[in-house]
Amino acid sequence: DQQVKQNSPSLSVQEGRISILNCDYTNSMFDYFLWYKKYPAEGPTFLISISSIKDKNEDGRFTVFLNKSAKHLSLHIVPSQPGDSAVYFCAASDNTGKLIFGQGTTLQVKP
Amino acid sequence: NAGVTQTPKFQVLKTGQSMTLQCAQDMNHNSMYWYRQDPGMGLRLIYYSASEGTTDKGEVPNGYNVSRLNKREFSLRLESAAPSQTSVYFCASRPSGTYNEQFFGPGTRLTVL
Repeated sequence: DQQVKQNSPSLSVQEGRISILNCDYTNSMFDYFLWYKKYPAEGPTFLISISSIKDKNEDGRFTVFLNKSAKHLSLHIVPSQPGDSAVYFCAASDNTGKLIFGQGTTLQVKP
Repeated sequence: NAGVTQTPKFQVLKTGQSMTLQCAQDMNHNSMYWYRQDPGMGLRLIYYSASEGTTDKGEVPNGYNVSRLNKREFSLRLESAAPSQTSVYFCASRPSGTYNEQFFGPGTRLTVL
């Protein structure tokens, strides 16, 4: 039973356009959500997070939206750049600090 | 400040062999974690240590043991490797507090023949 799901294995967008990556979760006890970015042969690196008391968090070109009633979060990247091409993982946590990861979405940004 | 380091980077084992994956962090974090990443499955938690002296099972602990040697180091041991343990293994650490991200090492790619 996958508690965090990223239903799109891959996404391709043109440079300069918006990238939208989606994530769904099932456990209502999750209260903290994170996005990680991963390049090949490297470890995941933290990108942005949001707590359940907020519905939006912005950091430069990256914005995360949380819809608690739908148990859905999304990551928007505007404008997308070729260097953004990577695998993006969403993760969710309850107050234990442990993370449950989605399967990942591979983003390709074409020049 | 090296962050989270893992050794070795690559390893090939035969079925039944044992080995220990090493992880160290220099950020004075209390919590440390071991994950495995398999194609199409994201990262799955094997074991974690919320603080020095404690360890707990994660989602997929079977076939593994861990040791929290001190605050800096957290090792993962495969006593009798199996082909199903072929994976990329990541160690992570996290500072105290409820809303803090985990910091990951570069990974160990393990192949069991």
